[in-house]
Amino acid sequence: NAGVMQNPRHLVRRRGQEARLRCSPVKGHSHVYWYRQLPEEGLKFMVYLQKENIIDESGMPKERFSAEFPKEGPSILRIQQVVRGDSAAYFCASSPVGPGLANRETQYFGPGTRLLVL
Amino acid sequence: QKEVEQNSGPLSVPEGAIASLNCTYSDRVSQSFFWYRQYSGKSPELIMSIYSNGDKEDGRFTAQLNKASQYVSLLIRDSQPSDSATYLCAVNPLYSNTGNQFYFGTGTSLTVIP
Repeated sequence: NAGVMQNPRHLVRRRGQEARLRCSPVKGHSHVYWYRQLPEEGLKFMVYLQKENIIDESGMPKERFSAEFPKEGPSILRIQQVVRGDSAAYFCASSPVGPGLANRETQYFGPGTRLLVL
Repeated sequence: QKEVEQNSGPLSVPEGAIASLNCTYSDRVSQSFFWYRQYSGKSPELIMSIYSNGDKEDGRFTAQLNKASQYVSLLIRDSQPSDSATYLCAVNPLYSNTGNQFYFGTGTSLTVIP
């Protein structure tokens, strides 16, 4: 099963520490999306990346959050100086194509990383 | 106005009944529509996609699309307790001014009572 992989599945951090979440998309997918889901709430879009490029980061908080998708390796969502409000499930999704043509493609989700900030 | 709206529920139906989940969207040129199921503590999984007006059936699931009314629904026949989950509606517009293809609704919580 070469689906979207995320690690770690669970991450506990103390306030002020850094959290680093990794996502490996489906093999051959070059479009990655990160979402945050607070308890009992819906999915909130954070950022859309292609290899080596951030396409849309309109959902990212302006401070402490950053994302990358390097030419080699997984996509990384980085949260610096975590606060309790960052506790949530972070989902990564991938798709084989981006906006425009062939927009019948869906996004495939990884299992998520549950971040708990103490 | 949100791009995609769903009734958050909770929606409760008895086992064996038909569960009807509804979703409206604001972008008139949207082309592709998806229903995801999310169990508590799990990730969303795709259960249905629909692109053309009308009905699309897959087992106990039927998706219905009405582009003129900007409305998409999911019917679950012979509901089972294992169908208890949150159902997310997603819309993939033809054009997205933000670069992000997908708009997700907040989800409808369904409980099937044995």
